[in-house]
Amino acid sequence: QQPVQSPQAVILREGEDAVINCSSSKALYSVHWYRQKHGEAPVFLMILLKGGEQKGHDKISASFNEKKQQSSLYLTASQLSYSGTYFCGTVSGAGSYQLTFGKGTKLSVIP
Amino acid sequence: DVKVTQSSRYLVKRTGEKVFLECVQDMDHENMFWYRQDPGLGLRLIYFSYDVKMKEKGDIPEGYSVSREKKERFSLILESASTNQTSMYLCASSLYQGNTEAFFGQGTRLTVV
Repeated sequence: QQPVQSPQAVILREGEDAVINCSSSKALYSVHWYRQKHGEAPVFLMILLKGGEQKGHDKISASFNEKKQQSSLYLTASQLSYSGTYFCGTVSGAGSYQLTFGKGTKLSVIP
Repeated sequence: DVKVTQSSRYLVKRTGEKVFLECVQDMDHENMFWYRQDPGLGLRLIYFSYDVKMKEKGDIPEGYSVSREKKERFSLILESASTNQTSMYLCASSLYQGNTEAFFGQGTRLTVV
């Protein structure tokens, strides 16, 4: 079952912030975040493991609330290069290999 | 750098044909995945494999099968292609289990006419 992402799409001006949410009905072991630019393959951003840690990657960071089975991706001071579709992927269970993705959030950053 | 290579970027096949999509990774990864990507539906998991000859169904396995005879190669088979299988197909691999990043191939755009 696919995790649910929100919003489906967002338009930002350069320098603005955005939050993308991902939630699952299953207990999660890990949450992955990827970005896909038009015509390209998805590219890995970060993984969050069970334990509620928060990670950062330049001005992009994420949190994982394992009690709520939710993760959020935070993009601060957005740049034009942040445009693309963001996917969260979830793995349920420490011994699981199945990586299931959501429907994606299309982010457009305009000058 | 990890490389995941899909054999074709574009394919056009006729309804009823048997279609093979090939994927090769060069980093000795245990896990390999096949997804299809359609507008508004995101990435949907068709099949995955965690070892040679081991495979498991994903969320949408109907009409597909897979083969993994060697660790580096994972094939997706459309037994009898239908027009509703027209899509972008993405292969991915990861080192092991669910806590390592996945690397994607460039995708195969399959059109069934």
